[in-house]
Amino acid sequence: QSALTQPASVSGSPGQSITISCTGTASDVGNYKLVSWFQQHPGKAPQLIICEDSKRPSGVSDRFSGSKSGNTASLTISGLQAEDEADYYCCSYASSSTLIFGGGTKLTVL
Amino acid sequence: EVQLVESGGGLVQPGRSLRLTCTASGFTFGDYAMSWFRQPPGKGLEWVGFVRTKVYGRTSEYAASVKGRFTISRDDSKSIADLQMSSLKTEDTAVYYCTRYNWHDYRGAVDVWGQGTMVTVSS
Repeated sequence: QSALTQPASVSGSPGQSITISCTGTASDVGNYKLVSWFQQHPGKAPQLIICEDSKRPSGVSDRFSGSKSGNTASLTISGLQAEDEADYYCCSYASSSTLIFGGGTKLTVL
Repeated sequence: EVQLVESGGGLVQPGRSLRLTCTASGFTFGDYAMSWFRQPPGKGLEWVGFVRTKVYGRTSEYAASVKGRFTISRDDSKSIADLQMSSLKTEDTAVYYCTRYNWHDYRGAVDVWGQGTMVTVSS
């Protein structure tokens, strides 16, 4: 399976909203309601922020939201804060019980 | 507190073997699948594989890049999940993360991560 496609970088100013896309195929993103998003700060372990396409685990800020249309999932961060500057990865369940990742998106808060 | 702690990382020569251990605490270990991920220095995340719970026979699935070389097992009595790596290659160099693969409370949420352990494959 090929990796999911994410933009290499996005940026936004404090208070603004940004959206990160994650494009897969009908065999992964488009076939299961099982896209997750992870936030990773430098030198730290990733943290789950969205699962099952759009569910927020307990403790995750409601400024983070997930959606999906066809083979493309999206992560939206509203009310950008300096602490949101990090790398973001999408991940999808795929055939044969495997998981595939996007290449990651670096978010810069200007 | 829900926690995962990896151990066993280090420097190993190509072709040799290494075993990583993940010790879990703060939750009923046997109720959850466990998965391993890795991240080469400066690069993105890659799924390595996972082991199912006893109900599903403690069977495992693996990424194509490690299939046949890596084995994930679990000991529910000790709350431990192991990653046995053999025939190691330089491209296996990465930080390895143990995670909880939660099909108990969610549908496939990787909701708990260890701090990671570095594996360097080099002569």
